Amino acid sequence: KQEVTQIPAALSVPEGENLVLNCSFTDSAIYNLQWFRQDPGKGLTSLLLIQSSQREQTSGRLNASLDKSSGRSTLYIAASQPGDSATYLCAGYNYGQNFVFGPGTRLSVLP
Amino acid sequence: KAGVTQTPRYLIKTRGQQVTLSCSPISGHRSVSWYQQTPGQGLQFLFEYFSETQRNKGNFPGRFSGRQFSNSRSEMNVSTLELGDSALYLCASNSGGAGGETQYFGPGTRLLVL
Repeated sequence: KQEVTQIPAALSVPEGENLVLNCSFTDSAIYNLQWFRQDPGKGLTSLLLIQSSQREQTSGRLNASLDKSSGRSTLYIAASQPGDSATYLCAGYNYGQNFVFGPGTRLSVLP
Repeated sequence: KAGVTQTPRYLIKTRGQQVTLSCSPISGHRSVSWYQQTPGQGLQFLFEYFSETQRNKGNFPGRFSGRQFSNSRSEMNVSTLELGDSALYLCASNSGGAGGETQYFGPGTRLLVL
């Protein structure tokens, strides 16, 4: 059964810094991995989806990588802004298990 | 294209009551998944419906049930509410292919059980 963990649980950085969020999963038979952001009290917004056959995906200042052999994915945020403050969740999809979510990393970008 | 909508947005119930939540997916999406989010357990998968059939189910008691209509709208029902059912209930839709497509989430229904 897939298990997903994320470190760190919380992160605070000054505006303008580049940062990396980490996601680990236990089952390398993962079909794809998706990164989301969640603002307080709100639903989730999809950021990037990486298929198992891909190594990375990019969208604007965001870059996500996937390494199935090591069971890891990273989300890189370039030139962070206060508007990036949110909780970031990763979710792995395996057939028969639907999406399994990590606990999230709460990011604060200080002006 | 309109996003995923959920109604109601907020709900207060008492223990022992039942509740029905509704989710309208993005037009053209045939798959609807439901999740429960709590501070202690995080986001947990409840079930997925595709073309009116439950395609996948998480590890929740039988008090949690759902259904999907021919227009892809979905409802979930929780009977005999317990205090621990207080949570944000999120639904997500996708095009419903082989599985694992990008999930689009609604704003959620916040349920408080007193």
